[in-house]
Amino acid sequence: DSGVTQTPKHLITATGQRVTLRCSPRSGDLSVYWYQQSLDQGLQFLIQYYNGEERAKGNILERFSAQQFPDLHSELNLSSLELGDSALYFCASSYDTNTEAFFGQGTRLTVV
Amino acid sequence: DQQVKQNSPSLSVQEGRISILNCDYTNSMFDYFLWYKKYPAEGPTFLISISSIKDKNEDGRFTVFLNKSAKHLSLHIVPSQPGDSAVYFCAASVWAGAQKLVFGQGTRLTINP
Repeated sequence: DSGVTQTPKHLITATGQRVTLRCSPRSGDLSVYWYQQSLDQGLQFLIQYYNGEERAKGNILERFSAQQFPDLHSELNLSSLELGDSALYFCASSYDTNTEAFFGQGTRLTVV
Repeated sequence: DQQVKQNSPSLSVQEGRISILNCDYTNSMFDYFLWYKKYPAEGPTFLISISSIKDKNEDGRFTVFLNKSAKHLSLHIVPSQPGDSAVYFCAASVWAGAQKLVFGQGTRLTINP
């Protein structure tokens, strides 16, 4: 158990819908990262927050957005969902930005 | 453009022997490298890391070697145990106040009894 909690574990939704994925980082960790793992792309960095502020952005679509709240939990919002958005979404956390990140178990999103 | 490559999709090793997993990178700006292990239905688990100022880092049965001139790193597991069977990901980042890990495609390691 990495200490990073992601909910829900599984999500099935229809195209065009909007979903919210939630992440609680390890106790004491200030940095949260979101990654997407699809079959053909491997693990891709989406976005990073540090202590409530966006720190880095990767290949995140405009339909996707994230935020980190004062209690340090984070949410990833995915809207206007397409079939190609079906993937595993991982959240990771680290104490700061130059220490190793610990991953949650992921949320498997299936868009039908 | 794949900046981190693991050219072997799979590797099979006998229990007790050494497992060597390889990773190549193209971005010379990368200065922090990590290995993660992943079991099915779980998130990646951090194993070991190395910064670009070192060429070797050891933690128990796991040793990571970095060859900056060749842009190559490897993970050695000695001795290999059945519980080591998993997918191993190499990852790299540029330290610039952020940690955008770039992952390789992974190598599935199978340890045979």
